[in-house]
Amino acid sequence: NAGVTQTPKFQVLKTGQSMTLQCAQDMNHNSMYWYRQDPGMGLRLIYYSASEGTTDKGEVPNGYNVSRLNKREFSLRLESAAPSQTSVYFCASSHKGDTEAFFGQGTRLTVV
Amino acid sequence: QKEVEQNSGPLSVPEGAIASLNCTYSDRGSQSFFWYRQYSGKSPELIMFIYSNGDKEDGRFTAQLNKASQYVSLLIRDSQPSDSATYLCAVNPGGTYKYIFGTGTRLKVLA
Repeated sequence: NAGVTQTPKFQVLKTGQSMTLQCAQDMNHNSMYWYRQDPGMGLRLIYYSASEGTTDKGEVPNGYNVSRLNKREFSLRLESAAPSQTSVYFCASSHKGDTEAFFGQGTRLTVV
Repeated sequence: QKEVEQNSGPLSVPEGAIASLNCTYSDRGSQSFFWYRQYSGKSPELIMFIYSNGDKEDGRFTAQLNKASQYVSLLIRDSQPSDSATYLCAVNPGGTYKYIFGTGTRLKVLA
């Protein structure tokens, strides 16, 4: 049982480059989330998808876009990476919006 | 005022002792409360969730919720060195899909 799978695990980008972080869950969850984690800032919500076909902004959406490709997959895209986007990114999923969320293993992104 | 507040620690306890971790939240409409454990360089791992006032026990862990005072706590009995990690409190305000996380409390269990 894989749970929530993120790819890649590590990535280094140059300023201005673009990339897509992939996330897939096999728990038949309805809701999916993208968080970033920075030292001293805790986990901050970037975007979420309450259900297939819907996406909404979280606390820190600027510079990011998302796609809920189907019930299993939720991707996060950086169109023009900036050093301020250096962070650890976590994807998570939950059955409903108020039940426990399960996290992927994270992606360490460095923008130089 | 932050929405979810935790003491950053580190909280140091000797092996075998009870570790008490606290969290306060600002949104009175919050319905769901979660404790996650995060080892350095790893992803958050769910330990417990609690929805109702009172205590909820699971093995060595007890979550306590007091909605009137807007705090939730986690007790770890018989603390082990393997419990050394950062503990994240998360709150879900009612009717939303947003989990609001505290910045975490770092726990050190001394052998």
